Amino acid sequence: DAGVIQSPRHEVTEMGQEVTLRCKPISGHDYLFWYRQTMMRGLELLIYFNNNVPIDDSGMPEDRFSAKMPNASFSTLKIQPSEPRDSAVYFCASSFRQGATGELFFGEGSRLTVL
Amino acid sequence: QKEVEQNSGPLSVPEGAIASLNCTYSDRGSQSFFWYRQYSGKSPELIMSIYSNGDKEDGRFTAQLNKASQYVSLLIRDSQPSDSATYLCAPFSGGYNKLIFGAGTRLAVHP
Repeated sequence: DAGVIQSPRHEVTEMGQEVTLRCKPISGHDYLFWYRQTMMRGLELLIYFNNNVPIDDSGMPEDRFSAKMPNASFSTLKIQPSEPRDSAVYFCASSFRQGATGELFFGEGSRLTVL
Repeated sequence: QKEVEQNSGPLSVPEGAIASLNCTYSDRGSQSFFWYRQYSGKSPELIMSIYSNGDKEDGRFTAQLNKASQYVSLLIRDSQPSDSATYLCAPFSGGYNKLIFGAGTRLAVHP
């Protein structure tokens, strides 16, 4: 299995630009999570989906952030417009029955730098 | 009060020693507890889970849970330089129905 695949691995953009991060979860997993990690705030859950349906988006910082999961094998996290404080590593993770096992499989992350 | 508290470290231990990593959590409804390891520049990976009070051993790792004290710990015996990483404590919160990650403790094992 290829694991969770994220793209791009690195993104450098200027303030005000739109950023789209992509994720392909592990086949058969029914939960997908988007996390953001910074030195100051650690690993924060932004949003998670179950069977392609958003369940909890309470961690999404503000309206500039949006996430979609059009099918079981693809999800996007979009930031528009981007700001320097959005600079972080964004992880996508997937799992099967997350509550039962707590095992999340993380992608390698997308490192975002907003200048 | 943070939902999950960990000493940020760094915790420095000599090779071969026991490393003790501690975590406290605020949600009394948490029933499942997990330890993730994150190497620098890499993504977190699950290394231990514990569901009942007491100890759970897996190789050189032992997880300890005390729900009454809302405390969970991870012991690493015979620490190796390859254990140098950040260890994230993650209770599964029944109230929030999701994993809540602590900020992590950075462990440095020196030869």
